[in-house]
Amino acid sequence: SQQGEEDPQALSIQEGENATMNCSYKTSINNLQWYRQNSGRGLVHLILIRSNEREKHSGRLRVTLDTSKKSSSLLITASRAADTASYFCATDGTGGGNKLTFGTGTQLKVEL
Amino acid sequence: ETGVTQSPTHLIKTRGQQVTLRCSSQSGHNTVSWYQQALGQGPQFIFQYYREEENGRGNFPPRFSGLQFPNYSSELNVNALELDDSALYLCASSLDQGSAFFGQGTRLTVV
Repeated sequence: SQQGEEDPQALSIQEGENATMNCSYKTSINNLQWYRQNSGRGLVHLILIRSNEREKHSGRLRVTLDTSKKSSSLLITASRAADTASYFCATDGTGGGNKLTFGTGTQLKVEL
Repeated sequence: ETGVTQSPTHLIKTRGQQVTLRCSSQSGHNTVSWYQQALGQGPQFIFQYYREEENGRGNFPPRFSGLQFPNYSSELNVNALELDDSALYLCASSLDQGSAFFGQGTRLTVV
């Protein structure tokens, strides 16, 4: 079963705009990871945020985590056409060990 | 590139047959996990192997089984294939509590 859900399910923006995706989950976590998937192929790891962290940055990516609300957001700034992909959040439970539970994904389309 | 490689890339099998999928983990990683991703869905955890022992299993029947070898590579075996087993099968490797890195997946079609 899916742990949570990403919101929105689909997002279409113009190149240069910012894209924000939200993820909600149901149970306590050790960490939360964001992944990108192009055309139904392998998942590319973007960023990991631990349960005791509130915000993390990596290049054009900014991730926030609110454990009290059981939610996370991924912000992609100055989006590019190459950012077009599906984005998934995945939670690792309090036992750790990377037995990940994925959300349903957000399909991002960045148009020129 | 993550260093996690899966083979084969694509596979077509007939209902009732058996299939073996293979995964080579990233160098230095001691944990391999397998996921099934149906079309339009997020990946679902099948099981995990840590130092050659099964270390957790998702909600999948016993006809899904696996192995991990001393070099930490891994196999996923599925017996008595059903049409609903058609999916992208993903392997991920990790080291202890670090991030999980995925291979490109094996697309299995059961006809």
